[in-house]
Amino acid sequence: AQSVAQPEDQVNVAEGNPLTVKCTYSVSGNPYLFWYVQYPNRGLQFLLKYITGDNLVKGSYGFEAEFNKSQTSFHLKKPSALVSDSALYFCAVRVTFRSARQLTFGSGTQLTVLP
Amino acid sequence: EAQVTQNPRYLITVTGKKLTVTCSQNMNHEYMSWYRQDPGLGLRQIYYSMNVEVTDKGDVPEGYKVSRKEKRNFPLILESPSPNQTSLYFCASSTGGGDTQYFGPGTRLTVL
Repeated sequence: AQSVAQPEDQVNVAEGNPLTVKCTYSVSGNPYLFWYVQYPNRGLQFLLKYITGDNLVKGSYGFEAEFNKSQTSFHLKKPSALVSDSALYFCAVRVTFRSARQLTFGSGTQLTVLP
Repeated sequence: EAQVTQNPRYLITVTGKKLTVTCSQNMNHEYMSWYRQDPGLGLRQIYYSMNVEVTDKGDVPEGYKVSRKEKRNFPLILESPSPNQTSLYFCASSTGGGDTQYFGPGTRLTVL
């Protein structure tokens, strides 16, 4: 089955420390992978995506993600966390459902950056 | 400014009273979709539309209807809302089904 998983519901990190939010996927064929962020009372905002090419993808607000084909993972990273990074993060993967392409989303990871 | 708008942002209603949540985009996107967000379940797709007059069911379509008469608008209709449809709803648009999606601000619906 085509799916995406975020194994951690909650991630806490101290301000200034590196952060990682994990995502694993299962799709047939080459994966198209996305990260979105949701701030309180806001819609989801696109952060970055992997289509092809370099395994390290850079996105908005200093975030990057590393695509690892052998581990079927697409973890979101940032070298130095800010309190303002506290939000809900969603990983998504392109799937084919009844011959139509669409995105399927993980369950989300709440990131809290502690001052 | 490129955006997806939804109205209303907040709605409290009672069981069985028909309601419509509007969605509009100004990016000339062909693909639009509706999601519901529930704690621990992430986003689940309700319906999607690949173009005008072309719609199809997503993962959780029961109790919902949609229409796509114009490219920019994609309203979500609840003919007879029930309490299990209490949720946060998002509309999104993109150039294609598996492309970067742009989300509206969300509609928080409570059905009593």
